[in-house]
Amino acid sequence: AQSVSQHNHHVILSEAASLELGCNYSYGGTVNLFWYVQYPGQHLQLLLKYFSGDPLVKGIKGFEAEFIKSKFSFNLRKPSVQWSDTAEYFCAVNGYNTDKLIFGTGTRLQVFP
Amino acid sequence: EAGVTQFPSHSVIEKGQTVTLRCDPISGHDNLYWYRRVMGKEIKFLLHFVKESKQDESGMPNNRFLAERTGGTYSTLKVQPAELEDSGVYFCASSQGLAGVNEQFFGPGTRLTVL
Repeated sequence: AQSVSQHNHHVILSEAASLELGCNYSYGGTVNLFWYVQYPGQHLQLLLKYFSGDPLVKGIKGFEAEFIKSKFSFNLRKPSVQWSDTAEYFCAVNGYNTDKLIFGTGTRLQVFP
Repeated sequence: EAGVTQFPSHSVIEKGQTVTLRCDPISGHDNLYWYRRVMGKEIKFLLHFVKESKQDESGMPNNRFLAERTGGTYSTLKVQPAELEDSGVYFCASSQGLAGVNEQFFGPGTRLTVL
């Protein structure tokens, strides 16, 4: 079955700490991978995406993610978080020629000053 | 440029009643999607329109849900009759471009509570 697992449901960090959020997927065939973020009171917005090429992708606000095909993973990283990174983060996947996004359950990140 | 808008932002209804949710996509976006998030769970795909045609409705939970997109512009999602398990946040998204690689822009969601 197609699925996305986000193992960290709630992460609490202090400012300047490093962040890594795990994402593993189960999907047959070629995939596209996404991280979306929902800041408090705002819409879901795209943080970064991987379609092909360099498996290390950089997104907005200093975030990056690495696609490791052998591990079916697409972990999100940021070397130094800020209070403004407090949000819920969603990993998602779709197939090569389909728009249907399959989301993980989300990770709520709280950053304290 | 205006983003995806949804109406209403919140709806509280009783079991057995009917509710209609509306989504206005970004102008010019042919693709329109509906997703739902039940509390504490993942965001789940419901269906995908390309213009006025249903491209994929594999996520629609049952025949109490009816989605339309007349004229290929805005879309409505009707739940009739509503059940307790229909409570959740309903998101709409839109995009343009090739399947799979286009960015989906999400609306703010409609929070539906069925009592």
